[in-house]
Amino acid sequence: GAVVSQHPSWVICKSGTSVKIECRSLDFQATTMFWYRQFPKQSLMLMATSNEGSKATYEQGVEKDKFLINHASLTLSTLTVTSAHPEDSSFYICSARGPTDEAFFGQGTRLTVV
Amino acid sequence: AQTVTQSQPEMSVQEAETVTLSCTYDTSESNYYLFWYKQPPSRQMILVIRQEAYKQQNATENRFSVNFQKAAKSFSLKISDSQLGDTAMYFCAPGGTSYGKLTFGQGTILTVHP
Repeated sequence: GAVVSQHPSWVICKSGTSVKIECRSLDFQATTMFWYRQFPKQSLMLMATSNEGSKATYEQGVEKDKFLINHASLTLSTLTVTSAHPEDSSFYICSARGPTDEAFFGQGTRLTVV
Repeated sequence: AQTVTQSQPEMSVQEAETVTLSCTYDTSESNYYLFWYKQPPSRQMILVIRQEAYKQQNATENRFSVNFQKAAKSFSLKISDSQLGDTAMYFCAPGGTSYGKLTFGQGTILTVHP
């Protein structure tokens, strides 16, 4: 089946620094990827839709200058959390629409800002 | 726009028993799909079952089946012969025809006891 790989699985960064999370489709091309945020024991909240070769579409309330999304190739989307603060600590998950038209998810990234 | 309601925050069942998780939704789309995902402690999102809204027949996948009531916008998941490995958080998610993009319910934490 289609595989989406997300890296890193966990990261700790200092407040004020930036951190980049990668989402790769390993065996298929993904023109569209999605980024979600999840707090413990809560639902996944869509942050943005990442479109290859064009600007991302952000959900209402998501700061586009803080959460930079780049989808420069058909297999890679990146989410950069800029000037991270402790309130940005969360679990971030990406997904991609696979060749069988279902969503495939990465393993997620646990971000801790100290 | 789509909204999803899972009214059971937590459920508990004995191994080998049957349990039903409820979900109601609303959507403005005429063609859509419905999904149930599970998120075990590893936090990897796993597709359990999917239903095309235009199909009247309820989807079945081994021990998992759905009761899809389109007019009532209800989409419940039945798990038969529950196993310890079914312990997870379950999310109901409607998606549009470009159904990489999903709207998730609040989730139901299911615990299967030996």
